Amino acid sequence: GQQVMQIPQYQHVQEGEDFTTYCNSSTTLSNIQWYKQRPGGHPVFLIQLVKSGEVKKQKRLTFQFGEAKKNSSLHITATQTTDVGTYFCAGPKTSYDKVIFGPGTSLSVIP
Amino acid sequence: IAGITQAPTSQILAAGRRMTLRCTQDMRHNAMYWYRQDLGLGLRLIHYSNTAGTTGKGEVPDGYSVSRANTDDFPLTLASAVPSQTSVYFCASGPGQGHGKLFFGSGTQLSVL
Repeated sequence: GQQVMQIPQYQHVQEGEDFTTYCNSSTTLSNIQWYKQRPGGHPVFLIQLVKSGEVKKQKRLTFQFGEAKKNSSLHITATQTTDVGTYFCAGPKTSYDKVIFGPGTSLSVIP
Repeated sequence: IAGITQAPTSQILAAGRRMTLRCTQDMRHNAMYWYRQDLGLGLRLIHYSNTAGTTGKGEVPDGYSVSRANTDDFPLTLASAVPSQTSVYFCASGPGQGHGKLFFGSGTQLSVL
């Protein structure tokens, strides 16, 4: 079945440092979605990428969707304490398929 | 306020008991999902529904059942709870099957003793 992996599982950074998490799917994805979950909270949608090679930016966050539509990355520039949380990628094989989540990358930011 | 509501917020349950987790959304979303979250394992899909009247199995469906009698409600039932079902359960909904953002409920913390 479809599997979605993420690395690293945990990342501790000093405030101001950059952070990147990588997402890899065992199958081609119709789209890739990214979510953020703050400690004790629920996942919150960040962005969806649909096109091969697509790059989107949200302030200090940069999202990429691989050319083969099997991998993705999230890069945060100059982390802040408000970036603390777990970042999940998720995606369906087809646009009519169930959405499978990766295991997430937990980010800690040291002030 | 539009959104997705889960109940109860938390529950302690004796093994062998039956339990239904409730999920209601008022956004008229077609797709609804149940995920369980365990430390180190992320969000694993239990069951899903692409539209009212249809359901499908996710990654970890054993021991759980769902129904989708109408658009708004998507209850998850544990017929005979076991300790390995101790987890945080999240319900989610989305406008389309497989595309578009998912909205999550606040979760149900379930402990099976």
